[in-house]
Amino acid sequence: IAGITQAPTSQILAAGRRMTLRCTQDMRHNAMYWYRQDLGLGLRLIHYSNTAGTTGKGEVPDGYSVSRANTDDFPLTLASAVPSQTSVYFCASSEATGELFFGEGSRLTVL
Amino acid sequence: QKEVEQNSGPLSVPEGAIASLNCTYSDRGSQSFFWYRQYSGKSPELIMSIYSNGDKEDGRFTAQLNKASQYVSLLIRDSQPSDSATYLCAVNDYKLSFGAGTTVTVRA
Repeated sequence: IAGITQAPTSQILAAGRRMTLRCTQDMRHNAMYWYRQDLGLGLRLIHYSNTAGTTGKGEVPDGYSVSRANTDDFPLTLASAVPSQTSVYFCASSEATGELFFGEGSRLTVL
Repeated sequence: QKEVEQNSGPLSVPEGAIASLNCTYSDRGSQSFFWYRQYSGKSPELIMSIYSNGDKEDGRFTAQLNKASQYVSLLIRDSQPSDSATYLCAVNDYKLSFGAGTTVTVRA
């Protein structure tokens, strides 16, 4: 089934640890995004990539990094996790029209 | 000012009624507008997109756009319990910006 796969679906992490959230799409979309969703704040863009080899900062990029080595994969790394990074993380991709297709989300708890 | 504002809700409507959701945006140059539905614990899914002024209907859903007033709305006619969800307004300028969402509960 075509779509976006995120892993892990859920993770509990000790503060200070490094963590990579994986995202893979098979729709050959050029653009990919990472959002975090927190209660009352909606979806906030962390980083984005308009095409393989390029990345950009979104609204809340601090503490996160991304890479886009190829069209399909867009991992998000937390170099040293902090409790404020406890959130649900959504990876998404889009066509040229801007319509987003979301993965199922990764629930991260940083203790 | 937040880029995309939605009526905060929650919105409770009886089954069969019309649910009306509102959204305003700050960037006058925005060209694309979307409504996403998100069930509790699930990811957002696109239900409507609108690009030009006026109304766009898709089944029981109608999106309305007024670029002069920087306003986009979503009407859900004949509301069903399965419509109970959070509805997210999204506006595309150089990136897609989301509102905080309006939670709708349809009571039987």
